[in-house]
Amino acid sequence: AQKVTQAQTEISVVEKEDVTLDCVYETRDTTYYLFWYKQPPSGELVFLIRRNSFDEQNEISGRYSWNFQKSTSSFNFTITASQVVDSAVYFCALSEDNTDKLIFGTGTRLQVFP
Amino acid sequence: EPEVTQTPSHQVTQMGQEVILRCVPISNHLYFYWYRQILGQKVEFLVSFYNNEISEKSEIFDDQFSVERPDGSNFTLKIRSTKLEDSAMYFCASSFQGRDTEAFFGQGTRLTVV
Repeated sequence: AQKVTQAQTEISVVEKEDVTLDCVYETRDTTYYLFWYKQPPSGELVFLIRRNSFDEQNEISGRYSWNFQKSTSSFNFTITASQVVDSAVYFCALSEDNTDKLIFGTGTRLQVFP
Repeated sequence: EPEVTQTPSHQVTQMGQEVILRCVPISNHLYFYWYRQILGQKVEFLVSFYNNEISEKSEIFDDQFSVERPDGSNFTLKIRSTKLEDSAMYFCASSFQGRDTEAFFGQGTRLTVV
């Protein structure tokens, strides 16, 4: 069965520190999709990135970068030089090829202190 | 930038009452979803809707729930007889092409059943 594990419940850092949020997934499918969403204190879910299982290239977008490793079934998210505005709950999610539904992890609450 | 819009932002209802949560998906999107998030917990899939019918639903989406696309722009979730455990944040989402594209979420409707 598919599953997403975010072992870090809460992380606290001081501004300008780098921080990595871990995500480990389980699936029997060879084709699947991985996502990260941000949920700021205001409550909405903000899409950050989508990756398919055939694309293991790491991606960088500004201060954000993602490391996808099929060998360890991980899709980790790094924020470089964190800012207070990065404070939010971050969710990793999985979607398999025969379904449109997203399976979410339990989320990691990131607090960035000034 | 196009966005998914949900109304109301907060609804309080008495146990046993019917509620309708409303959503306006992004206009050229074809796939629509409802998810819910019980306070402090992970986001859970309820139902997906495509081509005017339910394409997939979870175990949570039992007979008390229904969805409808009454016109070309709205997508609604009805809960027929609310229970205390239905209290949650309900998110509507839409995507252009199902799992091949990212899902964009609305800001959520917080439902409180008293």
